[in-house]
Amino acid sequence: AQKVTQAQTEISVVEKEDVTLDCVYETRDTTYYLFWYKQPPSGELVFLIRRNSFDEQNEISGRYSWNFQKSTSSFNFTITASQVVDSAVYFCALSEYGNNRLAFGKGNQVVVIP
Amino acid sequence: NAGVMQNPRHLVRRRGQEARLRCSPMKGHSHVYWYRQLPEEGLKFMVYLQKENIIDESGMPKERFSAEFPKEGPSILRIQQVVRGDSAAYFCASSLRDRDRSSGNTIYFGEGSWLTVV
Repeated sequence: AQKVTQAQTEISVVEKEDVTLDCVYETRDTTYYLFWYKQPPSGELVFLIRRNSFDEQNEISGRYSWNFQKSTSSFNFTITASQVVDSAVYFCALSEYGNNRLAFGKGNQVVVIP
Repeated sequence: NAGVMQNPRHLVRRRGQEARLRCSPMKGHSHVYWYRQLPEEGLKFMVYLQKENIIDESGMPKERFSAEFPKEGPSILRIQQVVRGDSAAYFCASSLRDRDRSSGNTIYFGEGSWLTVV
């Protein structure tokens, strides 16, 4: 069974600080996909990234970066130099190759204080 | 490119009424999913459909809930005889079905439909 744990529920940071969101996953499949989504106060779910299990290369996109560590089953997300617009709930999710169901973590509420 | 389109964005129903939520997938996507977001439970998978077929409904409540994705038109999530506990955000998502390992399946979500049962 697929499972995603995001331990930190709410994180407050002052603008321009970095913030790292932890995501730990469980799966028995050898092929799987990991995702991060952002849910701003307006409510929509915005796709940020997909990472395949066979590709452990870390990724940077602007102020966002992701650290995939298969050895610890973690897919952590860092926002560098946070801005108020980063205030949102961030969800980590897992999909196994055999199905298209996404298992979501409970989300991290990020509050960026100006 | 238009994204996943859901309507209505907000819906209020009295207990016992029916709620119908509509979803048009992204252009070129033939796979549709419905997820529900409840305040204390987070985002949960409900159902996965292709045109005219239900592929996986393992997350659907056994009663009052149904989903379809007809050959023509949007996917519909239907909730009959709504109760207060059905109040939630319902998200539709779509994807290409791509067995290519290098690309996998990116699942894109709509803006959600917020159902309030009074």
